[in-house]
Amino acid sequence: DAKTTQPNSMESNEEEPVHLPCNHSTISGTDYIHWYRQLPSQGPEYVIHGLTSNVNNRMASLAIAEDRKSSTLILHRATLRDAAVYYCIPGETSGSRLTFGEGTQLTVNP
Amino acid sequence: GAGVSQTPSNKVTEKGKYVELRCDPISGHTALYWYRQSLGQGPEFLIYFQGTGAADDSGLPNDRFFAVRPEGSVSTLKIQRTERGDSAVYLCASSINTNSYNEQFFGPGTRLTVL
Repeated sequence: DAKTTQPNSMESNEEEPVHLPCNHSTISGTDYIHWYRQLPSQGPEYVIHGLTSNVNNRMASLAIAEDRKSSTLILHRATLRDAAVYYCIPGETSGSRLTFGEGTQLTVNP
Repeated sequence: GAGVSQTPSNKVTEKGKYVELRCDPISGHTALYWYRQSLGQGPEFLIYFQGTGAADDSGLPNDRFFAVRPEGSVSTLKIQRTERGDSAVYLCASSINTNSYNEQFFGPGTRLTVL
């Protein structure tokens, strides 16, 4: 499994954009980059995934570096509900384990 | 629709006892995963079922841990001779497993405390 490095914690203000970085320099050529988040006292939930191109969905955007050794999850307007631990996970698209690191604890200030 | 459910939500047991944790996946999801999460850590993979069979059980820490999914739906994680170090939140997830992207849907977890 590819090793990931994420900041332990980040802080943002409500309504402002948040950029959550992840380094995954040992990612294999076929691995996707998945992002999950875990709200307090809940199980993780899927946020977004990508392979090479930048991706957008209703929750967030994912910017992937050209060499695929890093990626950035972008929350365009943080809300209080976005306070969670965000996990960056390189891996296959389906049928296999998710290897979680320690993630980034995002705090959103009102 | 109904998500992944896990019972019980909390389980307190004594060292040396046997426990069973149950997971009801989303209807129609053929893949089922068990993870456990210690305080302050990310979830750690335990076992993955595709249908009734365990496709990957490499994450089970030792032979005290066993999981079954006899009819390809509900799964039970069984822990024998519990130890204090088994205390954690046990998470279950399911996915549909088609040829397209298959996100994992997680349940709320069972908090196991071994005294």
